Amino acid sequence: QKEVEQDPGPLSVPEGAIVSLNCTYSNSAFQYFMWYRQYSRKGPELLMYTYSSGNKEDGRFTAQVDKSSKYISLFIRDSQPSDSATYLCAMSGVSYNTDKLIFGTGTRLQVFP
Amino acid sequence: SAVISQKPSRDICQRGTSLTIQCQVDSQVTMMFWYRQQPGQSLTLIATANQGSEATYESGFVIDKFPISRPNLTFSTLTVSNMSPEDSSIYLCSVDWRGSGNTIYFGEGSWLTVV
Repeated sequence: QKEVEQDPGPLSVPEGAIVSLNCTYSNSAFQYFMWYRQYSRKGPELLMYTYSSGNKEDGRFTAQVDKSSKYISLFIRDSQPSDSATYLCAMSGVSYNTDKLIFGTGTRLQVFP
Repeated sequence: SAVISQKPSRDICQRGTSLTIQCQVDSQVTMMFWYRQQPGQSLTLIATANQGSEATYESGFVIDKFPISRPNLTFSTLTVSNMSPEDSSIYLCSVDWRGSGNTIYFGEGSWLTVV
């Protein structure tokens, strides 16, 4: 079993839809949770990060962490064609000196006009 | 956030040759990381490079194949040695901004194709 599981997609939605992207994980020691957006032929861009459980909102993006279920989500409201990209979840434990970042395989999102 | 520049952005390399990728950051950072992203795959950490010490390699990666330099707090290089087609990949430099371990930023990547 992989430490982090993420549906590769592609997920295709119409413009304006609410998008839900998810990751599950197996390591209960993970405390930091991040979402990255990667456009084709570009490096990953940090979108949001959260610590432990709860929600965090930034504009059209909301990140949720449910540690009891080992499940994290990224919601995108009013999706735009410019949101078309691969979204990677990543997570790590509390010890930043020893706990490396573990990435999901990414979900490819396509938002069509 | 940090601005991270990588060179080359892309290259086509002959089998058996070596290529050095450069990573320049616009601010001083303690920890720099090198990742590989093979086609259709997620990111895999190659090594962690701290200034003034030897790089720490992850399982499956060795110094002879991926030598790393970290001469100062704003610069690092990764060399991919004796390349084979299996080394065709994106190589990404990243930094741990603010030293908190939870804000990792990436460069644009170096796209290598080995023929």
